[in-house]
Amino acid sequence: DAGVTQSPTHLIKTRGQQVTLRCSPISGHKSVSWYQQVLGQGPQFIFQYYEKEERGRGNFPDRFSARQFPNYSSELNVNALLLGDSALYLCASSSAWGSSYEQYFGPGTRLTVT
Amino acid sequence: DQQVKQNSPSLSVQEGRISILNCDYTNSMFDYFLWYKKYPAEGPTFLISISSIKDKNEDGRFTVFLNKSAKHLSLHIVPSQPGDSAVYFCAASARTGANNLFFGTGTRLTVIP
Repeated sequence: DAGVTQSPTHLIKTRGQQVTLRCSPISGHKSVSWYQQVLGQGPQFIFQYYEKEERGRGNFPDRFSARQFPNYSSELNVNALLLGDSALYLCASSSAWGSSYEQYFGPGTRLTVT
Repeated sequence: DQQVKQNSPSLSVQEGRISILNCDYTNSMFDYFLWYKKYPAEGPTFLISISSIKDKNEDGRFTVFLNKSAKHLSLHIVPSQPGDSAVYFCAASARTGANNLFFGTGTRLTVIP
């Protein structure tokens, strides 16, 4: 079975632009979470969606938004990009919502803002 | 505010010896703890977890110990193998909330053949 997939793998954007990152969860998984990993740090929680509803939001500005589609795939949008948004963006899926359900991570999208 | 801390950025161990990776947390609401392993250009891979109702969980060469009073957990790898060389992240979550994970900053383990 395919794991969590993310696209694109790498992306270069200019300050002020907007970006959309995509994630497909493991088949049968209904929960998707997004994390930002800045170089030298651990992943930081951005959003969690379960059954197409937002179930959690981390401490990120409103420039960050996300949604989950009927097929449980998800998009993360970032508007008005700043240099500090340069990071590895990780998507994780789990079978359900709740802390006891393990999260499986995709390989990430490396975003560089110049 | 870093709620999960890994104070050792790196660790080098000889093949066959024990690797001990440490993690501290500050939030007393955390009750589920996980270790993830990350290779370059890959996402973190789940390794082992422990619930706060236990103080030890073992899976093959990997054992996690939890000391709730000290808010400290550790991952023991015995025996260490060169393929274990990776960055290890400690993570925590609270059952009462969403299963968003709070990660430490990671420890880079190098197992020397």
